[in-house]
Amino acid sequence: GAVVSQHPSRVICKSGTSVKIECRSLDFQATTMFWYRQFPKQSLMLMATSNEGSKATYEQGVEKDKFLINHASLTLSTLTVTSAHPEDSSFYICSAPGDGGRIVETQYFGPGTRLLVL
Amino acid sequence: GESVGLHLPTLSVQEGDNSIINCAYSNSASDYFIWYKQESGKGPQFIIDIRSNMDKRQGQRVTVLLNKTVKHLSLQIAATQPGDSAVYFCAENYFGAGNMLTFGGGTRLMVKP
Repeated sequence: GAVVSQHPSRVICKSGTSVKIECRSLDFQATTMFWYRQFPKQSLMLMATSNEGSKATYEQGVEKDKFLINHASLTLSTLTVTSAHPEDSSFYICSAPGDGGRIVETQYFGPGTRLLVL
Repeated sequence: GESVGLHLPTLSVQEGDNSIINCAYSNSASDYFIWYKQESGKGPQFIIDIRSNMDKRQGQRVTVLLNKTVKHLSLQIAATQPGDSAVYFCAENYFGAGNMLTFGGGTRLMVKP
């Protein structure tokens, strides 16, 4: 099946620094990718939809200037948490639809990135 | 008061028993539903899916039931094994919203050997 990877898997940073998280579709192309955030013991909350070749679409309440998304190619989307603060500490997960981003059902999830901001 | 979502409901079962995990979804127009399994520190893993024009679908050891009348979804796991211990999420997809998934709150399944 399709594989989605994330890098890094875990990152610890100081408050005020920026952190970049990569999401790659390894054996398929994805014109759309999704970024989720998951706090401990909670469900996944969609943050934004990353669109190749155009601007990302952010969910209500998500600051687009704080969470910068760049869909650089058909296999790579990046999420940059700018000026990170301890409350940004969370588990960030990306996903990609399995058939080039068309309206299909199967979403493949990355393994997640654990961010800890000190 | 207690905030919603801070504590996952937990289902504890004995190894070998059947498990039933329930989920109430929100959008009566949702077209497609998926169950995911998430182990600690990992991303969600697809288990089984069902379209809105179906009421039951079976996989290997798993069955999903859909009751659109009451907007209820359930996941049945037969002969539960210790490896089934994880958090289970249901997700709904409304094709009118593209590929966006809306996740339910999750249930932690603990299997006792």
